[in-house]
Amino acid sequence: EAGVTQSPTHLIKTRGQQATLRCSPISGHTSVYWYQQALGLGLQFLLWYDEGEERNRGNFPPRFSGRQFPNYSSELNVNALELEDSALYLCASSFFVSRSAGELFFGEGSRLTVL
Amino acid sequence: GESVGLHLPTLSVQEGDNSIINCAYSNSASDYFIWYKQESGKGPQFIIDIRSNMDKRQGQRVTVLLNKTVKHLSLQIAATQPGDSAVYFCAEGPMNSGYSTLTFGKGTMLLVSP
Repeated sequence: EAGVTQSPTHLIKTRGQQATLRCSPISGHTSVYWYQQALGLGLQFLLWYDEGEERNRGNFPPRFSGRQFPNYSSELNVNALELEDSALYLCASSFFVSRSAGELFFGEGSRLTVL
Repeated sequence: GESVGLHLPTLSVQEGDNSIINCAYSNSASDYFIWYKQESGKGPQFIIDIRSNMDKRQGQRVTVLLNKTVKHLSLQIAATQPGDSAVYFCAEGPMNSGYSTLTFGKGTMLLVSP
């Protein structure tokens, strides 16, 4: 069974540009989570989608947005890129919403570099 | 892949040693804790979890200890192997809440020498 897949693996952009990252969850998983992992910092929660709806949002500015498609895949968009947006962006999926019932599975991430 | 381990505390051990990785958490309301392993260029991988009604839980070669009094969590790895080299980090949060409420630690890099 395929795990969580993310694309692209690496992305280089310049300040002010837009970046789009994509994620395909494990088959059967309806929840998709996005996290930012900057060097030296813990994972920071960005967005949670379930059944096509945004369920929760982390403490990030509105230029971080996304969506979930009917097939449960998801897209993260970062507009007006800033240097500090350089980070590893991780996508994760789960079958259950509650942690008590299941595990969170992570993809290998998309490395975004903003020059 | 690019390492996520820069600027992290590092624990260096010899193959066969036991390793202990520590994590201090800050939220007294947290009652669920998870340890993750992240190898270079890969996403985090679940290792073991523990609920606050327990103070110890064992898995395969790993043991998690929870001390709620001092808000401290530790991960013990027995007979450490080179394949255990990775960044390890803890996560905490309320049990009956979604993954979006987890708070993640910065992590510790474990280096295992043959």
